[in-house]
Amino acid sequence: AQKITQTQPGMFVQEKEAVTLDCTYDTSDQSYGLFWYKQPSSGEMIFLIYQGSYDEQNATEGRYSLNFQKARKSANLVISASQLGDSAMYFCAMRERDSGNTPLVFGKGTRLSVIA
Amino acid sequence: DTGVSQNPRHKITKRGQNVTFRCDPISEHNRLYWYRQTLGQGPEFLTYFQNEAQLEKSRLLSDRFSAERPKGSFSTLEIQRTEQGDSAMYLCASSLERLARQADTQYFGPGTRLTVL
Repeated sequence: AQKITQTQPGMFVQEKEAVTLDCTYDTSDQSYGLFWYKQPSSGEMIFLIYQGSYDEQNATEGRYSLNFQKARKSANLVISASQLGDSAMYFCAMRERDSGNTPLVFGKGTRLSVIA
Repeated sequence: DTGVSQNPRHKITKRGQNVTFRCDPISEHNRLYWYRQTLGQGPEFLTYFQNEAQLEKSRLLSDRFSAERPKGSFSTLEIQRTEQGDSAMYLCASSLERLARQADTQYFGPGTRLTVL
C-alpha cells in the first residue's frame, strides 16, 4: 500500500492567491514526522516545513502552513500569497518513528504552476 | 555555510560501464542518505550512513551498487556494469543528529543525473 498519496498531479493558481496541496499518509506508528519539500526544475529538493505527529499546533513557516488532520491522516500544505517563483514540484514525505535513523518515504508529487 | 554538494551534476555513460558519484554533506552533519528519483516519481531511499557506518540498505540497492563513507565526511556511490534502468537522478541528503526531532531534518544536494545509453 502507498504510504504517501498525493492525488493532484498538477495544480494551477493565480499569483497572490492561496493554494492547498493535498497529502494523505498511511502508518501504524504513533510517532512519525511529516515533511514537505519543493523541487524546482533545477532538481534540488528544498525543505519547506515539518510536522511531528505529537505536535498539537499546525506547523507554519512564513507563507507555508501545514493543515494537519491526524484522524484523517492528512497533512495538506497551504501556500499563501502565491508567487511566480513557487512554480515547482512539491513532495510530501513521511518519516516513521520520527527518528533521523529512518529514511523518508515520498509521494509522487504535485506540480504547481503559478499564473501571472 | 555551504549546503550539500554533489559531483558530477550530469553523467552520460554507455551500458556496462562503471560510474561513481560523490556527495559532500553539510559540514558536521553526521548522517548521510542516498536516494534515487526516476521520472515522474518521488525520491526512493537507497542507503544511509551514520558517521562512517552504513546502517541501512534498501532492497533497491542491488549487488551492482556500493556506497562508502570512509572517514564519516564525504560519500561515494558506485554503480558497476550500468544498465539502462539505472538512468535516474541520484540525490544525496544529510542531517545532524539532535534530540529535537525537527532539527534532524534532511537537507538535499542538487543531485547527479545519470543517463545510461
